[in-house]
Amino acid sequence: KQEVTQIPAALSVPEGENLVLNCSFTDSAIYNLQWFRQDPGKGLTSLLLIQSSQREQTSGRLNASLDKSSGRSTLYIAASQPGDSATYLCAVLNDYKLSFGAGTTVTVRA
Amino acid sequence: EPEVTQTPSHQVTQMGQEVILRCVPISNHLYFYWYRQILGQKVEFLVSFYNNEISEKSEIFDDQFSVERPDGSNFTLKIRSTKLEDSAMYFCASSANRAREQYFGPGTRLTVT
Repeated sequence: KQEVTQIPAALSVPEGENLVLNCSFTDSAIYNLQWFRQDPGKGLTSLLLIQSSQREQTSGRLNASLDKSSGRSTLYIAASQPGDSATYLCAVLNDYKLSFGAGTTVTVRA
Repeated sequence: EPEVTQTPSHQVTQMGQEVILRCVPISNHLYFYWYRQILGQKVEFLVSFYNNEISEKSEIFDDQFSVERPDGSNFTLKIRSTKLEDSAMYFCASSANRAREQYFGPGTRLTVT
């Protein structure tokens, strides 16, 4: 059974600082990995998708890396802003289904 | 930009009642999914659906749950006899194929009293 772990569970940084969010998974036989953003009481917004054959994916201030063999992904958010405050979820795709981590709750202080 | 929509946004029901949660996936997508998130817990997979049949289901998806694609646009989740522990946010998602990005709807908050 796929287990996804996210560290840290919560993070508080001053505006402008770079964010580093970590995700690990136990079964490396994945199709892809997605990073999502979730605001309180809201749905899931897809931020980035990394295919299993890729090492890295970038979108604006966001950069995600994937090391499939070691079962790790890292999401970097450059120059954080208060609007980046949210919970960030990592999810891996095996056999038709996504397995989610518990998320990292980020607070960016103005 | 195409998006997944879900109705209703909030449903309150009494224990033992049947509920139907509705979703309209992105129009050219072929794979459909239901997930749920109990308050304060991880998002959990319930079921995936392709070519008018269930592809995979979790142990949560027991006989009280069913899914249907009644027409070319809607995808529904039915809970036959709701329990208190079914209270959760239910998310519908769709994807173009099994290895592509899954797009999620805004969710339906189900409250069972």
